[in-house]
Amino acid sequence: QVQLQQSGAELVKPGSSVKISCKASGYTFTSYDMHWIKQQPGNGLEWIGWIYPGNGNTKYNQKFNGKATLTADKSSSTAYMQLSSLTSEDSAVYFCARGAPGYEDWFAYWGQGTLVTVSS
Amino acid sequence: ETTVTQSPASLSMAVGEKVSISCKTSTDIDDDMNWYQQKSGEAPKLLISEGNTLRPGVPSRFSSSGYGTDFVFTINNVLLGDEGIYYCQQSDNVPYTFGAGTKLELK
Repeated sequence: QVQLQQSGAELVKPGSSVKISCKASGYTFTSYDMHWIKQQPGNGLEWIGWIYPGNGNTKYNQKFNGKATLTADKSSSTAYMQLSSLTSEDSAVYFCARGAPGYEDWFAYWGQGTLVTVSS
Repeated sequence: ETTVTQSPASLSMAVGEKVSISCKTSTDIDDDMNWYQQKSGEAPKLLISEGNTLRPGVPSRFSSSGYGTDFVFTINNVLLGDEGIYYCQQSDNVPYTFGAGTKLELK
């Protein structure tokens, strides 16, 4: 069965960076986009971008250009998101979610979420 | 960017009632609308995908309709276990965008 296992909660200082991971299993990692989605406390959902692990292609929400960097390691079936120059506005739960087959983009499989807290 | 306007923000319903949630988009998205349920402390769960397609294992009490810019999500005979926040998401164009959510409470 498809599973996405994310790394644990992070407490980081303003101005620093953090890299969170999403280890995939139960399907061919290189055949599906991996998306990242942000959820601030009490707030809704915001799409950050996707990476296609098969060739490393990425697509970002313009709002997150320069903030988020998506990478993937085919050898370990793990996707990563690095967030840089962190501020309190980056405090949120971040989800990875597998894309749909073909050209559709809905999210049937999600990681459990990684809480990032930015605080001095 | 396509804006998704979801309403109402909250609902308080009795068991057995019918729930209706609306999502309106700022651009024509054909039928590229998806619906999720999120329970406290959990990741969202996909209930309905593009083309008003009920996902495997999701009860037929859940349904959706709509095309273009106006979409409606319905729960018939709502149950206690349906409490949570419901989100719509357009997948027609990047950046993918979500509605602000509808919090469903059961009386």
